[in-house]
Amino acid sequence: DSGVTQTPKHLITATGQRVTLRCSPRSGDLSVYWYQQSLDQGLQFLIQYYNGEERAKGNILERFSAQQFPDLHSELNLSSLELGDSALYFCASSVDDGRSPPLHFGNGTRLTVT
Amino acid sequence: GNSVTQMEGPVTLSEEAFLTINCTYTATGYPSLFWYVQYPGEGLQLLLKATKADDKGSNKGFEATYRKETTSFHLEKGSVQVSDSAVYFCALSPPMVGHAGGTSYGKLTFGQGTILTVHP
Repeated sequence: DSGVTQTPKHLITATGQRVTLRCSPRSGDLSVYWYQQSLDQGLQFLIQYYNGEERAKGNILERFSAQQFPDLHSELNLSSLELGDSALYFCASSVDDGRSPPLHFGNGTRLTVT
Repeated sequence: GNSVTQMEGPVTLSEEAFLTINCTYTATGYPSLFWYVQYPGEGLQLLLKATKADDKGSNKGFEATYRKETTSFHLEKGSVQVSDSAVYFCALSPPMVGHAGGTSYGKLTFGQGTILTVHP
């Protein structure tokens, strides 16, 4: 068990809709990272939050947004969904602000857009 | 931009065989290099890392050496076990230049992953 919890495990929705993915980091970890794994693009870094603040940004679309709450859990919001957004979304956490690589990832949320 | 290329899989080996999974990268400056492993039904976990040229990362019998001259970070294990069956990802992160704003080891660029199956 990595200690990183992601919900839901599976999500099926239609194009144009909006969904929210949730991640709870390992106890004591202050950073949360989001990654997208798709057949086309492979595994890509989306965004990192550290102690509630955006810390680093990757290839995240404008239709996507994230935030980290005072209890350190994070949510990734995906809106105006397109078929190409179907992917496995992983969350990872680390204890610091990115000076160490993320050690453990959650099991992912599989998003299917129909 | 940065990129990572791994040898195509799947790789199928018998127990106690020698394993090599090739990984080469393209990056500016001196990135940090990582191998992550994903066991069936689980999330990725960091297997080993190297942060500068000629560094050797090692863990659980796996090793990889950061070769700047060949831009490579090949993963090796002398004797694989059935329990090593998993997907292996090579990854890099940008150099942590003074840990300036926006730099992070979490800003990973991954290879496409190599499926390893070990038979008894």
